Amino acid sequence: EIVLTQSPGTLSLSPGERATLSCKASQSFSSNYLAWYQQKPGQAPRLLIYGASSRATGIPDRFSGSGSGTDFTLTISRLEPEDFAVYYCQQYGSSPYTFGQGTNLEIK
Amino acid sequence: EVQLVESGGGLVQPGGSLRLSCAASGFTFASYVMNWVRQAPGKGLYWVSAITERGTTYYADSVKGRFTVSRDNSRNTLYLQMNSLSAEDTAAYYCAKGRWTDNAVDIWGQGTMVTVSS
Repeated sequence: EIVLTQSPGTLSLSPGERATLSCKASQSFSSNYLAWYQQKPGQAPRLLIYGASSRATGIPDRFSGSGSGTDFTLTISRLEPEDFAVYYCQQYGSSPYTFGQGTNLEIK
Repeated sequence: EVQLVESGGGLVQPGGSLRLSCAASGFTFASYVMNWVRQAPGKGLYWVSAITERGTTYYADSVKGRFTVSRDNSRNTLYLQMNSLSAEDTAAYYCAKGRWTDNAVDIWGQGTMVTVSS
């Protein structure tokens, strides 16, 4: 099983700042099948990034994904108030399709 | 509108069974990989199972041998049969649709809560 480790666990930033979230895999997996999701309290998750770097439909361009192999990053260039939420990475290249434990992005 | 609606959750005793259903609409259900993802109260996301368009199934280690995923493409419905339930299975269970070209989840249901308790 591929273990995904997200860091930091909590990130405290202000609107307008840049956020950098990390996701490290215990081993590499096929085709950079790495996704990022955003989840707000009481809501289902929302797909932000698939294939490590492709934005999903309707996702603003302030969200970007990068990385390959075992190291992946989600960057939010300038935080908007609605971006404060929990973010999860998931690998779907090798079953079981594991999630990271999440990064809580909170308002400073 | 693309929609996934789960049902079948509830309170069940340890060792019991439950079957979840997910009714899909607004897309060609038979053409997509479908998943179940769960989330225990206050915890993170946990991938449970997937089934391909052709019926190939995949499971998390913790549910293998206890849970069975299936689909009825004629009814546009996904199922999760859960047996030998324990308190660790208590969670909201989400039905989740994979994308056309890969299994990143682009559509989620609202979730159905399963509580395992005596």
